[in-house]
Amino acid sequence: DAGVIQSPRHEVTEMGQEVTLRCKPISGHDYLFWYRQTMMRGLELLIYFNNNVPIDDSGMPEDRFSAKMPNASFSTLKIQPSEPRDSAVYFCASSLRGPGQNTEAFFGQGTRLTVV
Amino acid sequence: AQSVTQLGSHVSVSEGALVLLRCNYSSSVPPYLFWYVQYPNQGLQLLLKYTTGATLVKGINGFEAEFKKSETSFHLTKPSAHMSDAAEYFCAVTRGVVSNTGKLIFGQGTTLQVKP
Repeated sequence: DAGVIQSPRHEVTEMGQEVTLRCKPISGHDYLFWYRQTMMRGLELLIYFNNNVPIDDSGMPEDRFSAKMPNASFSTLKIQPSEPRDSAVYFCASSLRGPGQNTEAFFGQGTRLTVV
Repeated sequence: AQSVTQLGSHVSVSEGALVLLRCNYSSSVPPYLFWYVQYPNQGLQLLLKYTTGATLVKGINGFEAEFKKSETSFHLTKPSAHMSDAAEYFCAVTRGVVSNTGKLIFGQGTTLQVKP
């Protein structure tokens, strides 16, 4: 398997624009997670899905953020409108339901978002 | 509630010296514990994990960690540092039930510098 695939790797956008980040989880994984990494706050869980259903979105900072998982192989994180403080690295991760031998989370390479 | 504290945001060692990165956790349920490594401009890669059983766990690249319940610690060690070990290291604990091993609380990270 190619691992968790995120696109784009880098995104620069102007304040007020809509931004869509994409993620393809590892095939067969039940869970998908969106994390955000900033210098100030470190790694934070934004939202996660189980079997394509959003389970916990308490980490989503504002209504400007939304996430969808239309099928088991694709998820999006959208920011509309974007603001400079949204600049961060956004990671997608997937995992199998545990407990068990191989139920750790596998992370994508991340999308570095810069809002100017 | 769960939390993770990594002592020391920066650790510097000489090549060939012992690496010790400290992690203490707080958890109201038996935790699953993880160490992830992040190389510059890369995603997070799992180094090792503790779930149940043997408290001394070995990971990739010669790293190991010991789960000490009495000390609520999960320190990461490597007997001899290599230049390629320079990276940022994150300790993480599962948040909530261990069936969901991607729902993680991360420490703030420790940057390891290896001097020649």
